[in-house]
Amino acid sequence: QVQLQESGPGLVKPSQTLSLTCTVSGDSISSGGYYWSWIRQYPGKGLEWIGYIYYSGTTYYNPSLKSRVTISVDTSKNQFSLKVSSVSAADTAVYYCARGAGSSDYWGQGTLVTVSS
Amino acid sequence: DIQMTQSPSSLSASVGDRVTITCRASQGIRNDLGWYQQKPGKAPKRLIYAASSLQSGVPSRFSGSGSGTEFTLTISSLQPEDFATYYCLQHNSYPVTFGPGTKVDIK
Repeated sequence: QVQLQESGPGLVKPSQTLSLTCTVSGDSISSGGYYWSWIRQYPGKGLEWIGYIYYSGTTYYNPSLKSRVTISVDTSKNQFSLKVSSVSAADTAVYYCARGAGSSDYWGQGTLVTVSS
Repeated sequence: DIQMTQSPSSLSASVGDRVTITCRASQGIRNDLGWYQQKPGKAPKRLIYAASSLQSGVPSRFSGSGSGTEFTLTISSLQPEDFATYYCLQHNSYPVTFGPGTKVDIK
């Protein structure tokens, strides 16, 4: 059974960097079978795809966020991570990690990140 | 970016009703479309992939059709557990984009 679990601070101050990690179980990132993605959902319920990473480190970012986003992978820990720099209240959302670069089949439960001073 | 629209934005239906939700893409996306169901406080759950393929474990009352720019999700006989919000997603062209959602609630 594939499971993904997001972890990281639930509160980030404006202008700081949001950092989240996704731990994968039941599948191996280094097997190369899938890309691994981050997606966020705003309080108003709209969904935005952030980007993906492959075990090799290949990434693709949504151009709307590209200048502020970094996704990295640690295959030894079977984890991948998200950093969003210079955050503002507009980055307040539930952040999900997921398996797949498009129509993802497995998602984490999501973690709410609030940007507030 | 490819823009995805859904109609209706919400609907009220009764248990046993047949429900159809439409998703339209701003340009052709072949069959690179998925349908997701989301319940409050939960992650989206994939129901359909490749426009018409049923995800393993999903009841057969759910079906998808379409290609190009117009797609539909049909629930043949609405069950109590189906009251939720439904989203379409395209992955033909990056960035991946989602529809705004259709909320299905109890009539």
